[in-house]
Amino acid sequence: GQNIDQPTEMTATEGAIVQINCTYQTSGFNGLFWYQQHAGEAPTFLSYNVLDGLEEKGRFSSFLSRSKGYSYLLLKELQMKDSASYLCVSMNRDDKIIFGKGTRLHILP
Amino acid sequence: EPEVTQTPSHQVTQMGQEVILRCVPISNHLYFYWYRQILGQKVEFLVSFYNNEISEKSEIFDDQFSVERPDGSNFTLKIRSTKLEDSAMYFCASSEDWSSSYEQYFGPGTRLTVT
Repeated sequence: GQNIDQPTEMTATEGAIVQINCTYQTSGFNGLFWYQQHAGEAPTFLSYNVLDGLEEKGRFSSFLSRSKGYSYLLLKELQMKDSASYLCVSMNRDDKIIFGKGTRLHILP
Repeated sequence: EPEVTQTPSHQVTQMGQEVILRCVPISNHLYFYWYRQILGQKVEFLVSFYNNEISEKSEIFDDQFSVERPDGSNFTLKIRSTKLEDSAMYFCASSEDWSSSYEQYFGPGTRLTVT
């Protein structure tokens, strides 16, 4: 089966660092992505992990542990525009794509 | 920068009517997808399409749904007989090829309201 769990909401302060965790159960796992979605807009791609380890892209980093079925998205130097939902998404070898419910991140000044 | 476009941005239809949602993927992309997002809920995968055929579909994508690439640029989603529960935002996405299928570019969406 396939299932994704991530926190519903998180709050952080401008300039700080926040880590959004995601656990997944995906048979035939073939990769995990993170997308950002601002309210009323389409998702935009942030990162992709298929091997264990950390992928860094500017202020955003994503980590994957396949053995633990665990990923996190790390956002540094938070800006007000980072207020959005962050979607953890898994894909299996049959190209089945499952979105998590998203974590709504609120940034406080 | 190339982008995925979708028309219309908002479609209102009566229950039982057929609707066609249109998408123009990025021109050199080969993989196309439809997703839906019911208000306040998570994004749900509907179907992926490659080489003029469906490569994968979800349980949501039943006989009421169909997809087509009628020409070299458009990619359409048809709902034959709409139900109230089909009201949602429908997103089209495309990716360059299978190896980068994770990096999907989403269109702005079509909000479908079934009354």
